[in-house]
Amino acid sequence: DIVMTQSPDSLAVSLGERATINCKSSQSVLKSSNNKNYLAWYQQKPGQPPKLLISWASTRESGVPDRFSGSGSGTDFTLTISSLQAEDVAVYYCQQYYTIPITFGQGTRLEI
Amino acid sequence: EVQLVASGGGLVQPGGSLRLSCVGSGFTFSSHWMSWVRQAPGKGLEWVANIKPDGTEKYYVDSLKGRFTISRDNAKNSLYLQMNSLRAEDMAVYYCARICDCGGGFFDYWGQGNLVTVSS
Repeated sequence: DIVMTQSPDSLAVSLGERATINCKSSQSVLKSSNNKNYLAWYQQKPGQPPKLLISWASTRESGVPDRFSGSGSGTDFTLTISSLQAEDVAVYYCQQYYTIPITFGQGTRLEI
Repeated sequence: EVQLVASGGGLVQPGGSLRLSCVGSGFTFSSHWMSWVRQAPGKGLEWVANIKPDGTEKYYVDSLKGRFTISRDNAKNSLYLQMNSLRAEDMAVYYCARICDCGGGFFDYWGQGNLVTVSS
């Protein structure tokens, strides 16, 4: 199984400042046949289901504010929120879909 | 608008069974892989199972094989999860989720979740 490890477990950032969440996979999730990274990011607010933010490591979903960006390749990935807003308080998860079983990181709690 | 509405959760005794249902609307249900993902109280996300659009392929997390069964009825736009021999550690919110029709296995839409409580 591919193990996904996020860091840090929790993070406090001031409003308007940058937030950076890291995700490391135990093996590469880059498929050489199409040069795509099989990595997604989700945001989960209390009492709500997760919401897809980013797929293919860096493709922002429609409607997601452009302050959210994803980067990285192979085994090391980053979710960046360029200017933290109050509504960004949530738990963030990375997920690999390179292979079954699909696995998630343990989550990073983002606070103001 | 894509919607996934789940039902069937509730309280069940250890060793009991429960069947979750999820009805999809606003999209062509029969074209999408579908999935169940669960989240124990205060914990992270755990993928449970996937099912192919025509129901001919199913995949499970190893720890649940033999106890849980995923199925679907495309005529009813419905996804199911039959859960048997339930244990305390199966207590969780169970989400149905749509897998994107894009060659990737990420979840682009999620239902609201169904709480399953396993307790005597």
